[in-house]
Amino acid sequence: QQQVKQSPQSLIVQKGGISIINCAYENTAFDYFPWYQQFPGKGPALLIAIRPDVSEKKEGRFTISFNKSAKQFSLHIMDSQPGDSATYFCAARDGTDKLIFGTGTRLQVFP
Amino acid sequence: GAVVSQHPSWVICKSGTSVKIECRSLDFQATTMFWYRQFPKQSLMLMATSNEGSKATYEQGVEKDKFLINHASLTLSTLTVTSAHPEDSSFYICSARPWGANQPQHFGDGTRLSIL
Repeated sequence: QQQVKQSPQSLIVQKGGISIINCAYENTAFDYFPWYQQFPGKGPALLIAIRPDVSEKKEGRFTISFNKSAKQFSLHIMDSQPGDSATYFCAARDGTDKLIFGTGTRLQVFP
Repeated sequence: GAVVSQHPSWVICKSGTSVKIECRSLDFQATTMFWYRQFPKQSLMLMATSNEGSKATYEQGVEKDKFLINHASLTLSTLTVTSAHPEDSSFYICSARPWGANQPQHFGDGTRLSIL
């Protein structure tokens, strides 16, 4: 019940296209859902986050869509750029302040 | 803002050596710091949660005598891998959470530990 399932494992998108990464969870006690971007050899960097009382949040080219009833949330990257090529992790925070991470999606954007 | 510095970024040492990794929050006070371990092409696995001035809380399966955590101040936590062996080789990442409700975790850039 503490798992966060993430798909796809890898994603190849052409420059200018839309990248979509999906996550699903079971624990209804999760109260905060961040997305992190990680480049090789670096720590994860917070990209955007959402709380379960909001269905969508947009920051620049990045949008989170949240479906509370389905217990699913997704990251959309509009106008994907080669510089967006990285590994993306969704996460969920439980009541003890811990983050449970998804398995990660390796995104490659080709020019 | 919200910068977390981790040192060293890379360490190579012989089997049996103890290695200390530092995690500092540079521009905020962190009541809680977290230590993660990440194997190549895998996700982050939480090892332990540390609160300033108290003992760390370890996740199931993490040996507390092997991975010593000290959170001596609101800006510094250390992880010591004692008597390291090749199987301890991994990418260790810390994060810090500022004081206050609904504050996100901010991550350091990790320490690559290689045990020969």
